[in-house]
Amino acid sequence: GEDVEQSLFLSVREGDSSVINCTYTDSSSTYLYWYKQEPGAGLQLLTYIFSNMDMKQDQRLTVLLNKKDKHLSLRIADTQTGDSAIYFCARRAGSYQLTFGKGTKLSVIP
Amino acid sequence: NAGVTQTPKFQVLKTGQSMTLQCAQDMNHNSMYWYRQDPGMGLRLIYYSASEGTTDKGEVPNGYNVSRLNKREFSLRLESAAPSQTSVYFCASSDLGYQETQYFGPGTRLLVL
Repeated sequence: GEDVEQSLFLSVREGDSSVINCTYTDSSSTYLYWYKQEPGAGLQLLTYIFSNMDMKQDQRLTVLLNKKDKHLSLRIADTQTGDSAIYFCARRAGSYQLTFGKGTKLSVIP
Repeated sequence: NAGVTQTPKFQVLKTGQSMTLQCAQDMNHNSMYWYRQDPGMGLRLIYYSASEGTTDKGEVPNGYNVSRLNKREFSLRLESAAPSQTSVYFCASSDLGYQETQYFGPGTRLLVL
């Protein structure tokens, strides 16, 4: 399978919570990241988690890491239309390289 | 602080033409990267430069060359463009800090006819 896998699409109603999931194969990953890409723009770092952490919260964002299952999730509380974007999961692969998933397109329905 | 800048924003080439994509960062980062983004493929690393004076191949280096001109600038050259190189190209930079975050430029959209 792919090194980093994500579902391709997610649709939620405005005000609901969104949960974007990611699985990875390499258990030696040290850092795991979530990036956001708005249409026509570059990637913007949202948050990251170190592999010795289980959870990280930053305002409306909650990252959960299950190292045993190699599963990472990003929860966005009170999802707004401005959250519509593509969300990429990435893991550090070696000293300098990031390996990205293919991205999850989040659509927020008003 | 502009962060990571890329020029040009858009480019159309004919098969066989050459061009250089420029990237500059003003964050005093040591490491710089070139990625390409294709629909349904995510981002794939073309080349990276861990520090000034060094460059290394990434996942998809064929058909590309790079130059780390100085600490600020990292260019990507297509010597003989092919339609398969139609893509969006992103430059990124990072420093070897404790989270080693990569910061991305806005991208160059390249169409090869």
